[in-house]
Amino acid sequence: GAGVSQSPSNKVTEKGKDVELRCDPISGHTALYWYRQSLGQGLEFLIYFQGNSAPDKSGLPSDRFSAERTGGSVSTLTIQRTQQEDSAVYLCASSLGASGGKLQETQYFGPGTRLLVL
Amino acid sequence: KNQVEQSPQSLIILEGKNCTLQCNYTVSPFSNLRWYKQDTGRGPVSLTIMTFSENTKSNGRYTATLDADTKQSSLHITASQLSDSASYICVVRGNQGGKLIFGQGTELSVKP
Repeated sequence: GAGVSQSPSNKVTEKGKDVELRCDPISGHTALYWYRQSLGQGLEFLIYFQGNSAPDKSGLPSDRFSAERTGGSVSTLTIQRTQQEDSAVYLCASSLGASGGKLQETQYFGPGTRLLVL
Repeated sequence: KNQVEQSPQSLIILEGKNCTLQCNYTVSPFSNLRWYKQDTGRGPVSLTIMTFSENTKSNGRYTATLDADTKQSSLHITASQLSDSASYICVVRGNQGGKLIFGQGTELSVKP
């Protein structure tokens, strides 16, 4: 079946503009994660959605970052008033999700969106 | 502070040779540890997932070990192939919430 898809694959924007990044998880996956990978850095957790629970936003670096997940499927990561340090690859992942907090299942990653802020 | 540290930062080996990548973590309490392979320009792909009670897990030519007492894990690659050239990332999840803590990865290059 289809994997996790993300769009756009590349985005170049001017400093101060807002951007929206989209993630389509694997159908039936209730858990969805957003990560950021800067050049030469490890993956940085941003936000986690699990079913209808309140999202875990503990990784969002500032209030310029926000994410939504509509209907428990597609998610949008929004970065307002972009800064040059926001330039990175933004990765989305999904997993089946599990009850009781046993989140041991495999996460399937999308190809990422490469964001460049000039 | 919860941390995941990997070594070496980069590694070059000849095709057909074996290699071992290391991961030390301080995450506590600990739920599980994962190894991912990430090809350049692609998203990470899961290789193994181990809970604290598991010592070894294999996936083809990849074998991961875990010592929960010393908080160390290793990924052993046997009979390396050119296609093994990638970044290998160790990821640890604590017992609470969905947050994963990623190491910075080991960049492996397999040469013919």
